[in-house]
Amino acid sequence: NAGVTQTPKFQVLKTGQSMTLQCAQDMNHNSMYWYRQDPGMGLRLIYYSASEGTTDKGEVPNGYNVSRLNKREFSLRLESAAPSQTSVYFCASSDLAGGSYNEQFFGPGTRLTVL
Amino acid sequence: QKEVEQDPGPLSVPEGAIVSLNCTYSNSAFQYFMWYRQYSRKGPELLMYTYSSGNKEDGRFTAQVDKSSKYISLFIRDSQPSDSATYLCAMNDYKLSFGAGTTVTVRA
Repeated sequence: NAGVTQTPKFQVLKTGQSMTLQCAQDMNHNSMYWYRQDPGMGLRLIYYSASEGTTDKGEVPNGYNVSRLNKREFSLRLESAAPSQTSVYFCASSDLAGGSYNEQFFGPGTRLTVL
Repeated sequence: QKEVEQDPGPLSVPEGAIVSLNCTYSNSAFQYFMWYRQYSRKGPELLMYTYSSGNKEDGRFTAQVDKSSKYISLFIRDSQPSDSATYLCAMNDYKLSFGAGTTVTVRA
């Protein structure tokens, strides 16, 4: 039982390059999330998927797209990377979308640097 | 103004001291209040949660919520070097809103 896995662990991009961050969970959770974490800013929600087949914008969606490929997998795509997207990206999953106790389980993170 | 405010610290205490962490928030719709712990270069993990106002104790950890003041606290008694981590408060209505996190170092 691996929980939430993310690939890659580290990535360096040049401005304008594109890449996809992969996330998978094996806990049969309905909801999945992508966050970015920057010093002094905490975790900020980029996009989330309340259930398979749905996606919604979070607090900071600009410059990102997501795909909920199936119940297990939720990917985050940077179409044209910018230095402002240098951050640590976390994927998370939970059983419920919200409105009640909602423990989220986090992956180990992807450290992205955009030069 | 952010929905959840948390002093990022850092906080450095000697082993055995009481660590006191707190957050304030603005959204009165929040019902569940959580504390996540994040070790260096790891993802956050849920430490404790509290529903509505009141106290909750789990071993050396105590969480308090005062909804009238929109203020939550986490206390760590008899702190250990293994408690050195970043502590993030979080609260939810339809999504989780996180504080910035407070980095705590417990010196042996």
